[in-house]
Amino acid sequence: DQQVKQNSPSLSVQEGRISILNCDYTNSMFDYFLWYKKYPAEGPTFLISISSIKDKNEDGRFTVFLNKSAKHLSLHIVPSQPGDSAVYFCPRPTSGTYKYIFGTGTRLKVLA
Amino acid sequence: SAVISQKPSRDICQRGTSLTIQCQVDSQVTMMFWYRQQPGQSLTLIATANQGSEATYESGFVIDKFPISRPNLTFSTLTVSNMSPEDSSIYLCSVGSREQYFGPGTRLTVL
Repeated sequence: DQQVKQNSPSLSVQEGRISILNCDYTNSMFDYFLWYKKYPAEGPTFLISISSIKDKNEDGRFTVFLNKSAKHLSLHIVPSQPGDSAVYFCPRPTSGTYKYIFGTGTRLKVLA
Repeated sequence: SAVISQKPSRDICQRGTSLTIQCQVDSQVTMMFWYRQQPGQSLTLIATANQGSEATYESGFVIDKFPISRPNLTFSTLTVSNMSPEDSSIYLCSVGSREQYFGPGTRLTVL
């Protein structure tokens, strides 16, 4: 089973506060995890990744956390900015390939 | 990273016609993918187009409906054939492996 679940379809956060986006996965055989964001009328943009041997990766305002025992991935954005308003995806590759399965995403709205 | 362009950016087509979408990359890449995003839906992979081999299609997509060409390592085309309103979508190409880079998309409306 290679489903990706983003259980929150939308999230609203005040500018300057922390945004936390979550993904749950069922297959433990992946060696990396990724986050993409997508603005309307644009293609998805790679944001940040994490190796399965790590539990945290940080890049500026963006930090990804991996909890392997819970099969849970989260993206923290702090401080959130209005320009972060987008749809965020945690796509998963099908086994042994680079073909990605995208879930429904989480629409983040950062309020000024 | 790679810079990807797509043509056309959008089009409105009549039922029964075909449209060819172009994807151009600024560097040579081995793997290229075509996705579709139907209104209100997430991205769905149509096919993988690797240079020098036939495109491989995902379940629910067939070559007769979505023929793909990959003549070199920087270019690919996807044709949407015999279009119906259900084909109205955004079509995107992507390149890369673990980290993929997407084109801006082609917004297709079929009347």
